[in-house]
Amino acid sequence: DAGVIQSPRHEVTEMGQEVTLRCKPISGHNSLFWYRQTMMRGLELLIYFNNNVPIDDSGMPEDRFSAKMPNASFSTLKIQPSEPRDSAVYFCASSPLAGSTEAFFGQGTRLTVV
Amino acid sequence: DAKTTQPNSMESNEEEPVHLPCNHSTISGTDYIHWYRQLPSQGPEYVIHGLTSNVNNRMASLAIAEDRKSSTLILHRATLRDAAVYYCILRDVDKLSFGAGTTVTVRA
Repeated sequence: DAGVIQSPRHEVTEMGQEVTLRCKPISGHNSLFWYRQTMMRGLELLIYFNNNVPIDDSGMPEDRFSAKMPNASFSTLKIQPSEPRDSAVYFCASSPLAGSTEAFFGQGTRLTVV
Repeated sequence: DAKTTQPNSMESNEEEPVHLPCNHSTISGTDYIHWYRQLPSQGPEYVIHGLTSNVNNRMASLAIAEDRKSSTLILHRATLRDAAVYYCILRDVDKLSFGAGTTVTVRA
């Protein structure tokens, strides 16, 4: 397996534009996580899915953020409209559904909103 | 969420062992203790995990206190490539939340 695949790797957009980040989890993994990392706030869990169902979205900062997982092999994180303070590295991770299993992270998407 | 407490930073010399402590006094009986690390400009990567017994793998060892309220990650011989932020996390079934971690610096 190629691991968790995120796209794009880098995104530069203007304030007010819609941004969509994509994630392909490892085949067979039924938990998927979205994180945001900044120097100020560290690595924050935004939302996670089990078996394609959102379980906890309490980390989503505001209504401008939304995440979907239409099937087991694809998830998106959308920001609409984007703001400069959304600039961060966004990570996606996947794992089997169990406390005893390891999670695998993608390489991240570096988002810059100007 | 059960919380963990780690020192902000630690320094080590190359080829010497590194002992990274983690306190988790509110751990529940079903929480696994996980350790991840994040190298510069990379995503976090799994290091090791355990429930009650000490664990060893090719990367590190995990020593778990008998009451499970603390644990220690042991890097037996630190290399420059081990310089990273190390996160101690409690994981029940699914949720995986990160704290601030410990920044490890390795001196040549």
